[in-house]
Amino acid sequence: GESVGLHLPTLSVQEGDNSIINCAYSNSASDYFIWYKQESGKGPQFIIDIRSNMDKRQGQRVTVLLNKTVKHLSLQIAATQPGDSAVYFCAESNRGSARQLTFGSGTQLTVLP
Amino acid sequence: GAVVSQHPSWVICKSGTSVKIECRSLDFQATTMFWYRQFPKQSLMLMATSNEGSKATYEQGVEKDKFLINHASLTLSTLTVTSAHPEDSSFYICSAGSGGETQYFGPGTRLLVL
Repeated sequence: GESVGLHLPTLSVQEGDNSIINCAYSNSASDYFIWYKQESGKGPQFIIDIRSNMDKRQGQRVTVLLNKTVKHLSLQIAATQPGDSAVYFCAESNRGSARQLTFGSGTQLTVLP
Repeated sequence: GAVVSQHPSWVICKSGTSVKIECRSLDFQATTMFWYRQFPKQSLMLMATSNEGSKATYEQGVEKDKFLINHASLTLSTLTVTSAHPEDSSFYICSAGSGGETQYFGPGTRLLVL
């Protein structure tokens, strides 16, 4: 079936460096993508989203890039801080699935002091 | 705005008993609510989608008679794990939407079945 996956299960970065978390998706019908942050024992927290008619969107310290040609999504976090340590999930949806979300496998980001 | 709560936040029960988890949208009307299950170090897996006033739609492999979902109002959905067993121990998360693309997630409920 269709799935959304991540390239790296873990990522460690030095505090202050930039982080890049990648995600591959396989459903070409997906038209809406979201990045979530999940801290231990908590529900997912919305970070940023992007629609398929865009290839880049910026937020506060975060940028999402979408490459529809290769079905690739990335999350860039600038000046990574200790509070950014968490598991990051990408998710995708499309109108045909009644906007159900399909989550990727997640990347554990650890920020080193 | 767009706050979703879950109750209880954690529960421990004996094998064979039933457990009810509530999901509430506190400041908006949720026409659709989703229930997810998450095992340790794994991703969220959609269990079912419920629309207010109608039967829930379950994902393949999820037993509807074991995981009873009720969405009786636009602000409340409940998930009842019937005859719980240790393998049902997991983190259950709900989300709510009001018809658009955005889903608002609850804080999750940790279930431990002894």
